[in-house]
Amino acid sequence: GEDVEQSLFLSVREGDSSVINCTYTDSSSTYLYWYKQEPGAGLQLLTYIFSNMDMKQDQRLTVLLNKKDKHLSLRIADTQTGDSAIYFCASQTRGAGRRALTFGSGTRLQVQP
Amino acid sequence: DVKVTQSSRYLVKRTGEKVFLECVQDMDHENMFWYRQDPGLGLRLIYFSYDVKMKEKGDIPEGYSVSREKKERFSLILESASTNQTSMYLCASSSPNKGQRGDEQFFGPGTRLTVL
Repeated sequence: GEDVEQSLFLSVREGDSSVINCTYTDSSSTYLYWYKQEPGAGLQLLTYIFSNMDMKQDQRLTVLLNKKDKHLSLRIADTQTGDSAIYFCASQTRGAGRRALTFGSGTRLQVQP
Repeated sequence: DVKVTQSSRYLVKRTGEKVFLECVQDMDHENMFWYRQDPGLGLRLIYFSYDVKMKEKGDIPEGYSVSREKKERFSLILESASTNQTSMYLCASSSPNKGQRGDEQFFGPGTRLTVL
């Protein structure tokens, strides 16, 4: 089945850019998502990218997709302390009618003032 | 806005007890999911349902069962709770092809279950 991998921890200084990386294994992934989880809360969709796109920009967020290498990244410009959270990469495939997402282990982003 | 609610934020149970976790969504979504979240392991799918009275096993169904008698409600049942089921449980819902974002899932706030 699909496997999604992320590094577990990233620490940056306030004002710097953060880059969170993710790799996936299923080349038939159709949508790729980034979810954010703040302490004590559920997951909220941050952004997503469709598999026929290379890049998507949404305010301070930039998603890059390299389909050849099955690599996804999330860049947060001008990182703020409020960006401290766990970020999950998730992929969706359409094989066998499965409607669930496959999640990575999550990357904990720590923003230092 | 989609709202997914879970019956409890925190729950403490004893080994061997039967535990019910309830999830309700208010957007008429067909699909509902139960995940457990453990540090370093991300979210792992326990069960999901794509229609009333329909269910499918996820990646880690052992020790759990589910019930979906009404479209808006999806229950997770631990028949005999064990300490290794101490975890954060997250419910989610989605609707196929309703939006432009694939089967975007909407999550509840989670239930932190401790089994003593």
